[in-house]
Amino acid sequence: SQKIEQNSEALNIQEGKTATLTCNYTNYSPAYLQWYRQDPGRGPVFLLLIRENEKEKRKERLKVTFDTTLKQSLFHITASQPADSATYLCALDWETGANNLFFGTGTRLTVIP
Amino acid sequence: DVKVTQSSRYLVKRTGEKVFLECVQDMDHENMFWYRQDPGLGLRLIYFSYDVKMKEKGDIPEGYSVSREKKERFSLILESASTNQTSMYLCASWTSGYNEQFFGPGTRLTVL
Repeated sequence: SQKIEQNSEALNIQEGKTATLTCNYTNYSPAYLQWYRQDPGRGPVFLLLIRENEKEKRKERLKVTFDTTLKQSLFHITASQPADSATYLCALDWETGANNLFFGTGTRLTVIP
Repeated sequence: DVKVTQSSRYLVKRTGEKVFLECVQDMDHENMFWYRQDPGLGLRLIYFSYDVKMKEKGDIPEGYSVSREKKERFSLILESASTNQTSMYLCASWTSGYNEQFFGPGTRLTVL
């Protein structure tokens, strides 16, 4: 069965540094991969999507890469701020168009002022 | 903006009670989803629906049922609540014009 691993349960970094979060998956590559942000007591909010034929996607201070050979996505937040502190979830869809997402367990990021 | 609302933020029920969790979305999305979220396990799909009166089992449907009588409303039913159903329940909606699923704020259910 498919497995998704976000290999850091928690990550602490200093304000201004770049945070890098990892999402690894097993078996065959998904059609696309999404990253969500979740604040305590709230539902996840979509940040970025990257498709299997894309290597990199950017949005403001966020960057996502997708390496289908390594079966890995990296999520970067540059110039991190305390307001970036949250849990970040990766989600994969193995069936194009169906949007049945499989979620990782998340990485809790804390940006220290 | 898409808005997904859930009937309760916090709910406390007793073992054996029948529990209804309601979800409403205001953007005419065809697809709606129910997840539960537990520490260390992430979000797991319970049921989803791609149209009115249609439903499909997700990864963990046991102990749950759903109802979708209207397009905007998707209900999750716990026929006889048990303590292992204590969890955060999240509803989401999606339509093919968007990349992402839109989530509600969640209902934290405690079964005593």
